[in-house]
Amino acid sequence: RKEVEQDPGPFNVPEGATVAFNCTYSNSASQSFFWYRQDCRKEPKLLMSVYSSGNEDGRFTAQLNRASQYISLLIRDSKLSDSATYLCVVNFWDSGYALNFGKGTSLLVTP
Amino acid sequence: DGGITQSPKYLFRKEGQNVTLSCEQNLNHDAMYWYRQDPGQGLRLIYYSQIVNDFQKGDIAEGYSVSREKKESFPLTVTSAQKNPTAFYLCASSSSTGGYEQYFGPGTRLTVT
Repeated sequence: RKEVEQDPGPFNVPEGATVAFNCTYSNSASQSFFWYRQDCRKEPKLLMSVYSSGNEDGRFTAQLNRASQYISLLIRDSKLSDSATYLCVVNFWDSGYALNFGKGTSLLVTP
Repeated sequence: DGGITQSPKYLFRKEGQNVTLSCEQNLNHDAMYWYRQDPGQGLRLIYYSQIVNDFQKGDIAEGYSVSREKKESFPLTVTSAQKNPTAFYLCASSSSTGGYEQYFGPGTRLTVT
């Protein structure tokens, strides 16, 4: 069975803190990797794609380690508006159509 | 504005009734998907469609049916055969299948009593 595993949290951090989430996946034949953000009772929204070389978008940095089969998301200078659930998403090569979603990591940023 | 619309936002039905959830996109995407999300659970794929007049079962297709008569539209019918239909249903689309990022509609919360 293909799995995407995340620590459910919650991660409670003060405003301005740096927080990191990890995600592991079970299938080495993986093609695409993403982080999505989901607010309470809302739809998931694409935060960023994750590339082999790593990528950064403002305060957010994503890293991929294929050898160890994990993906990370780093959030710097946390804002109250970053409070949400962060979903790790992996496409496995041998199930070309499917995006496999982790259950999400909950982040609460406090004043 | 390009995007995906789902209606209605909330839907209440009695057990034993079929119900159809609407999903429309104007992103000119070829592929469309239906997921369900239960509290504390990840998204699970119900059906997907790569092209008009073609669709495939996902991991939990039993008790559901779909059609894809137009590129823009991918309605989902929850039948009375679905044992636990109460859930949050999410429609998504992508430019193609094969690992491309997917974009989601706002979802429909279905409650069956």
